[in-house]
Amino acid sequence: GAGVSQSPSNKVTEKGKDVELRCDPISGHTALYWYRQSLGQGLEFLIYFQGNSAPDKSGLPSDRFSAERTGGSVSTLTIQRTQQEDSAVYLCASSRTLAGGKETQYFGPGTRLLVL
Amino acid sequence: AQTVTQSQPEMSVQEAETVTLSCTYDTSESDYYLFWYKQPPSRQMILVIRQEAYKQQNATENRFSVNFQKAAKSFSLKISDSQLGDAAMYFCAYRSSSGSARQLTFGSGTQLTVLP
Repeated sequence: GAGVSQSPSNKVTEKGKDVELRCDPISGHTALYWYRQSLGQGLEFLIYFQGNSAPDKSGLPSDRFSAERTGGSVSTLTIQRTQQEDSAVYLCASSRTLAGGKETQYFGPGTRLLVL
Repeated sequence: AQTVTQSQPEMSVQEAETVTLSCTYDTSESDYYLFWYKQPPSRQMILVIRQEAYKQQNATENRFSVNFQKAAKSFSLKISDSQLGDAAMYFCAYRSSSGSARQLTFGSGTQLTVLP
C-alpha cells in the first residue's frame, strides 16, 4: 500500500525546546532507519531498528537524541533541548529484512526541522 | 569504515543528451551493495538503481545504467535521453551485506540540471 510517511512535514521550534518526529514505515517492513540531512554534514545515519532486537544507536550525535519503535511499527525520534545545529531534514526509511542484505530501503518525505 | 565520494557537486545536461555521474568508494569488504538515489525538491529519496558487488554485469533500469568497476571501486551512473524530470540531487550510497550493519553510507551528492 502506502509508502513511508513522516510527520510533521515541517517543524519550527525555539532553542531549548524538545521535539518529536514521527515515522510510519511501510506495512510489513521489519527494519526502520533514521537519517539526518544537513548542509554541513550531508546525509548521516542516526539509528536502526530491526524487529525486536536492540536498536543500533551508533549514529546518534549526542544523548539529547533518542528514538523508540512501538509494536515494531511506528517510530518516534525525540530531540531534547534542541540546538541550532540540530536544524536539518530528518529522513526515515524502512525495508524488509532479507538474507545477505538484499533488501532495499524506501524513504519517507522527511521532516524539515528549524531551530531558532 | 566505508566512505563514498562524489567529486561533481553540480552537473548539467541538455535535454535528450546523455550524462554520467561519478562515484568512488572505499571499502575492505568483498561483498556489498551500491545504490543511486534521486532526491527531487520534494525531498523524497527515490531509488534509481542498485548493484550487487558479486555480480559482474552492470545493472540497467530503462534509461539508467551503471558502470561498476569493482577493482577500481568506481560506480558511475549514466542517464541516457535525459528528461526535464531527471533534474534532482543524485546520491551514491554503499551498504555492507555482512553482519548487522544495514545502514547506508552516502556520498555528498551531485546536483543535476537538465537544460531544455
